[in-house]
Amino acid sequence: EAQVTQNPRYLITVTGKKLTVTCSQNMNHEYMSWYRQDPGLGLRQIYYSMNVEVTDKGDVPEGYKVSRKEKRNFPLILESPSPNQTSLYFCASSLSAPTYGYTFGSGTRLTVV
Amino acid sequence: RKEVEQDPGPFNVPEGATVAFNCTYSNSASQSFFWYRQDCRKEPKLLMSVYSSGNEDGRFTAQLNRASQYISLLIRDSKLSDSATYLCVVMRGSGNTGKLIFGQGTTLQVKP
Repeated sequence: EAQVTQNPRYLITVTGKKLTVTCSQNMNHEYMSWYRQDPGLGLRQIYYSMNVEVTDKGDVPEGYKVSRKEKRNFPLILESPSPNQTSLYFCASSLSAPTYGYTFGSGTRLTVV
Repeated sequence: RKEVEQDPGPFNVPEGATVAFNCTYSNSASQSFFWYRQDCRKEPKLLMSVYSSGNEDGRFTAQLNRASQYISLLIRDSKLSDSATYLCVVMRGSGNTGKLIFGQGTTLQVKP
């Protein structure tokens, strides 16, 4: 089944404790992206990647890192999480550009206390 | 002003009703437009692309008005299963450097 897999689905952590949210797609998509969704603000792009070893900032990159060492994986790293990063996170992939439509992962609900 | 604006609703309609959502965007250079559907904080799913000539998919019709910079989604003969949040999405830029900008969403509740 073609899909984007995110893990974990739920995570509660403490301020300052480094964490990684994994994202993997099995569709050989070139384009991958991370979004966060907050009430009243909608989905906002954190980082995106056009291909292996090519990443760029989205609209809200502060406090996040990403890497794209393999085509299928695009992990999101929070080096020192803070409470304002409490949010619902989605990974998404697309064939080669967002115009082809995104396939989203199921989401990761992160709470930083 | 937000780049993509939608009325958050909720729109409460009876089964069988026709309902329409509008969405406005601020960047006149935008080239690609979409409607996504999101159920109960689950992942968004692509509903349909919006073409300049308008397009229809079953009970769903999408229209684009470039002059007024708005996009619409019309749902005919509403079903209970149509209850969801509908996200208007506009592409900023083009190609693989383009970014999808999401509206906050319009919530639809279809009642029996």
